[in-house]
Formats: sequence, C-alpha cells, structure tokens
Amino acid sequence: GIQVEQSPPDLILQEGANSTLRCNFSDSVNNLQWFHQNPWGQLINLFYIPSGTKQNGRLSATTVATERYSLLYISSSQTTDSGVYFCAPRGNTGFQKLVFGTGTRLLVSP
Amino acid sequence: DAGVIQSPRHEVTEMGQEVTLRCKPISGHDYLFWYRQTMMRGLELLIYFNNNVPIDDSGMPEDRFSAKMPNASFSTLKIQPSEPRDSAVYFCASSPGLAGQETQYFGPGTRLLVL
Repeated sequence: GIQVEQSPPDLILQEGANSTLRCNFSDSVNNLQWFHQNPWGQLINLFYIPSGTKQNGRLSATTVATERYSLLYISSSQTTDSGVYFCAPRGNTGFQKLVFGTGTRLLVSP
Repeated sequence: DAGVIQSPRHEVTEMGQEVTLRCKPISGHDYLFWYRQTMMRGLELLIYFNNNVPIDDSGMPEDRFSAKMPNASFSTLKIQPSEPRDSAVYFCASSPGLAGQETQYFGPGTRLLVL
C-alpha cells in the first residue's frame, strides 16, 4: 500500500511565526486530506486537496501529485494552532481508504 | 448538521466484557468508516461501509471485532471479548463519497480503556 512520510515530526514555534509542514507519499493519489488533531483529540478537516493549491485564512495547502508531495503552510501561528497535523492520501485503487501519516506535532508558545 | 455523532465518549470496562461503540453519520453520506488510534500504530482504518454494505474489513484486527450498519443512520462496532490491548480511541467518520466530494468528516471519538 501507499507509504506516507511527514516532516518534521515535531515543531516548536513562537506565536506569530510561519511554518511549512511536508507530506511525501509513495504512489499516485486521487485524494489527499490534511487534518488537525487538537489537544482534546478532535480530528478537524483542514483541506481536501488532491492537487493544486487552496487557502483558508492563515492556512494554505499545495499538492503536487506528479512529484508525490503535499505542503501545509501556517502563517502567523497562534497558540490554538497547537496539536498534531496529519496528512492522509488515498491511492488510485478505487477504494475510499485514506492512509494516515504519523503526523507533525506542533507546539505554538505565546 | 450536527456532524458525526459517537457514543459513548468514554468507556472503561474489564477484560472479557463486551463493548459496543455507536455511530450516527452525517445525513446523506453514503460512506461510513471506523478507525482506531493508538500510540503504537497511529490512525488505522478498521472497516468501511458503502450504502450500509461492508466493503473492506481487512483492517479489523481479529474475530473479536465486528461491525454492522443496519441502516443509513446508525452503525456499531463491537468487541467481544475485550482485551487490554484494545484500549484506544475509536473514531467514526462519514463521507459523501462522490467524486470530488470525498472529504471524510470525523466524529469526536470514543476513548476505550480495557482493564
């Protein structure tokens, strides 16, 4: 099955800083989602982005499917951005199976 | 919409007992997924349904686990008998499943502790 690698595994930022999280995957995909798991454990959809670029407020994401990676940008980080960010691509198998990476743990300090 | 609803939110039980987790997907979503999250294995898909029919149960760890979807608005994940290694957070998710509308929406999870 598809292999997913996220980097960095851990990230500490000062409030207001910008960051880029990376997701590499081993096979072609037709679906990719980014999630934020907050400190209370809730998994929150950020983006559905199989290709191209999307923006939502301070967050944006880019997926370059031909080169098998996706990036999540966080600008002007806030303490509420803390948590774990997961990338979850789905391969071109025709099934609805997302494969989750191990996540990037982000801590934003005031 | 209220989103995906799961119950109970927390469950503590003793080894050998039966555990039933419940899920109500978002109305109109044709796909329902059960995931498990542990420190060791991360988030892994256990089983998913399309129009109430189980499609892929290859992630179900063993015969002690079973899942049903008797109608479009309700699903259960049952563990019988439960073991301490089943302790985890169990998430239910649903999706419209249509091409271009494949976002999966997760419920709040059920935190299970088997003593």
